Amino acid sequence: SAVISQKPSRDICQRGTSLTIQCQVDSQVTMMFWYRQQPGQSLTLIATANQGSEATYESGFVIDKFPISRPNLTFSTLTVSNMSPEDSSIYLCSCQPPDGGYTFGSGTRLTVV
Amino acid sequence: QKEVEQDPGPLSVPEGAIVSLNCTYSNSAFQYFMWYRQYSRKGPELLMYTYSSGNKEDGRFTAQVDKSSKYISLFIRDSQPSDSATYLCAMSAGAQKLVFGQGTRLTINP
Repeated sequence: SAVISQKPSRDICQRGTSLTIQCQVDSQVTMMFWYRQQPGQSLTLIATANQGSEATYESGFVIDKFPISRPNLTFSTLTVSNMSPEDSSIYLCSCQPPDGGYTFGSGTRLTVV
Repeated sequence: QKEVEQDPGPLSVPEGAIVSLNCTYSNSAFQYFMWYRQYSRKGPELLMYTYSSGNKEDGRFTAQVDKSSKYISLFIRDSQPSDSATYLCAMSAGAQKLVFGQGTRLTINP
């Protein structure tokens, strides 16, 4: 199964700034996914990122706030822009390798102060 | 109504007990069913992956899918304190987004 390296693992940021989260997969995958997990809650999909095309965002999430890059089949970034305390959450990337179940990165714990 | 319903618990059982975790769903297009284990401050770890109906066993873990009832289960035999975590069910209709249950917080007491 694919292994995803995600960084940073955590960060504390000032409101109004931006943070870019990176995910590197150890094999080529077609789609990557970005999720948000608020404390004590389940995972909510932010967007789906295909290589070579614009990301597809879920209802309630917009590109200006969460721009995503997918420059190749093993890498993706998510930027959380103009942050406010409400953006404090865990952000996770995921992919679906050819052998089946979706794999997740270890997560980025973001605190906005 | 949520697409996937999962009892959030918390669920607390003694060591060695059999644990049963369940999810129901409403979307009949779901074909791929997964169970994840998530320890505090960690990302979800894939435990079981099942396509369509039936059972799948892996060590102490058994996953069951009943598509006619739109019901999936995860059984943990001989539960250990190290099994204490949040368990999330998830499902998809193909190479598409996963839909997650709310997660069940499980504690195994020594």
